[in-house]
Amino acid sequence: SYELTQPPSVSVSPGQTARITCSGDALPNQYAYWYQQKPGQAPVRVIYKDTERPSGIPERFSGSSSGTTVTLTISGVQAEDEADYYCQSADNSSTSYVFGPGTKVTVL
Amino acid sequence: QGQLVQSGSQLKKPGASVKVSCKASGYTFTDHAINWVRQAPGQGLEWMGWINTDTGNPTYAQGFTGRFVFSLDTSVSTAYLQISSLKVEDTAMYFCARVPRKLGFDYWGQGTLVTVAS
Repeated sequence: SYELTQPPSVSVSPGQTARITCSGDALPNQYAYWYQQKPGQAPVRVIYKDTERPSGIPERFSGSSSGTTVTLTISGVQAEDEADYYCQSADNSSTSYVFGPGTKVTVL
Repeated sequence: QGQLVQSGSQLKKPGASVKVSCKASGYTFTDHAINWVRQAPGQGLEWMGWINTDTGNPTYAQGFTGRFVFSLDTSVSTAYLQISSLKVEDTAMYFCARVPRKLGFDYWGQGTLVTVAS
């Protein structure tokens, strides 16, 4: 079955930039989406269609795509950004969705 | 502004069944698919499948066939997840989510904790 790959953890100091990568063979053909999940809460979509930011999501969250890798960038990280982040996409046949394993972002 | 509200936590014994509800409001229920996502304790998100809210046709991900059933009651804008023959390893938080085409999982329910223990 199709899988996405993410680093398990990323640590960043307040005000610095955090970059989280997500790799998958179908990413050149499928959009990627990013979700933030804080402990005890439901996930929240922070990026859709690779680079689009939903209303209400701070401008410091941005997405980019290059080949088989997509990246979520958090610029000027704040303490409240400490959370788990999941990428999500679809397989090449568009019949199945998949989530990446998640990346824990720690704000030092 | 759409919203999904799920039923409350449940404690079940192995072998029993459970039915989780997901009630939608603030949008036309039949316009967008409802997907189900499982999150075992301390683990990541796992896509279980989806149901077409217009036709009622369900699609199940690998590993979620047989004991898992998605259903609808469009008269009350509610989707259901039923799990039969529960196992201890079914213990998890179960989320429903609205998934408009190409927009991702935009609205999520608050989650329903199902605990399976003897």
